Amino acid sequence: NAGVMQNPRHLVRRRGQEARLRCSPMKGHSHVYWYRQLPEEGLKFMVYLQKENIIDESGMPKERFSAEFPKEGPSILRIQQVVRGDSAAYFCASSPPGLETQYFGPGTRLLVL
Amino acid sequence: GIQVEQSPPDLILQEGANSTLRCNFSDSVNNLQWFHQNPWGQLINLFYIPSGTKQNGRLSATTVATERYSLLYISSSQTTDSGVYFCAVGGGANSKLTFGKGITLSVRP
Repeated sequence: NAGVMQNPRHLVRRRGQEARLRCSPMKGHSHVYWYRQLPEEGLKFMVYLQKENIIDESGMPKERFSAEFPKEGPSILRIQQVVRGDSAAYFCASSPPGLETQYFGPGTRLLVL
Repeated sequence: GIQVEQSPPDLILQEGANSTLRCNFSDSVNNLQWFHQNPWGQLINLFYIPSGTKQNGRLSATTVATERYSLLYISSSQTTDSGVYFCAVGGGANSKLTFGKGITLSVRP
């Protein structure tokens, strides 16, 4: 059973470009979470999604950030018009319905030049 | 929201030593997980332990939910134990995790 998969593992963007981060949850997991880790800090919750629904987006910045988890395919975290402050590691986690344990992917390291 | 505090912030050990890492949280939780972030940045699940005691090899953890704290024990530490240890708590099934700031452990040969 493959773990949570994220790609790309590293992403470099120039200011003003768009970044798309993808997350494939573990098999059988229908709940996806996105977290951001700024340099030298802990992880901060961004958004929690189930298939085709955003359940909790209380940690998402109000502008430029969006997330989706379509019926088919991976979950996508999209950052428009990136700025240097978006440079961080973005982690995706998944869990099966009704169970608490979250399993984390390897993360995507975004660097904005 | 719920607050999570970890202590000590940094820990330096000689290989073979034992250590205790602490996590305090400010409210009742249904989910508590310990993670190890290795020097390559990967987050590794150590324990899911909202209450009680668990052991896995040289690692063990205890959560006293009524007193709102959890302890992670590392025995006979090895250099590969180096990294950052995070405690994260959540309020219930499928709810977001709130992370502490982490404890940076360095194990020297």
